[in-house]
Amino acid sequence: LAKTTQPISMDSYEGQEVNITCSHNNIATNDYITWYQQFPSQGPRFIIQGYKTKVTNEVASLFIPADRKSSTLSLPRVSLSDTAVYYCLVGGDNYGQNFVFGPGTRLSVLP
Amino acid sequence: DTGVSQDPRHKITKRGQNVTFRCDPISEHNRLYWYRQTLGQGPEFLTYFQNEAQLEKSRLLSDRFSAERPKGSFSTLEIQRTEQGDSAMYLCASSLVGSFRETQYFGPGTRLLVL
Repeated sequence: LAKTTQPISMDSYEGQEVNITCSHNNIATNDYITWYQQFPSQGPRFIIQGYKTKVTNEVASLFIPADRKSSTLSLPRVSLSDTAVYYCLVGGDNYGQNFVFGPGTRLSVLP
Repeated sequence: DTGVSQDPRHKITKRGQNVTFRCDPISEHNRLYWYRQTLGQGPEFLTYFQNEAQLEKSRLLSDRFSAERPKGSFSTLEIQRTEQGDSAMYLCASSLVGSFRETQYFGPGTRLLVL
């Protein structure tokens, strides 16, 4: 079970690009990386998932270096509504009970 | 809206009462998970089902907690003899195992307040 480490909090301003890095030094060969976003009083929302290199969708990009010991979630041109907690998780297929959330990164977007 | 629904969204109860929460997963999903989340913490795994089978329940917080998924569709989480420490958000998630990668989709949660 890979353990992840993220910054506890980050501040940014509207319109900036935000990069949140997650360390997962013990990632296994069949593990992939998933990021969730959570607003207060709501369930976590799936953002993006990847195994290696770069993945991009309409919301974010995920950069994974060749050694896969870290990953970076990139949010382009953030707005106030991107203020939330962001969680990084790693695991293989068949997560089961091993879908472990850490405390996440609390992103505050300022005007 | 992820397609996972939970009912009720809020529940206030008195200590010692029993409460039951319901989760309706995305219809084609075969796995269903329950989590608890307290203020400032990430979700904490409680238990999960694959179809009707409960594959892991040792992480339920005490024997006052139980969960069912009788027909492999919706699930219920019951807390008996509630205590003030049970106050938290209870989250349900569903996934489809056997697809390319398992991705869990979460419901909006049920917020429980025990007085």
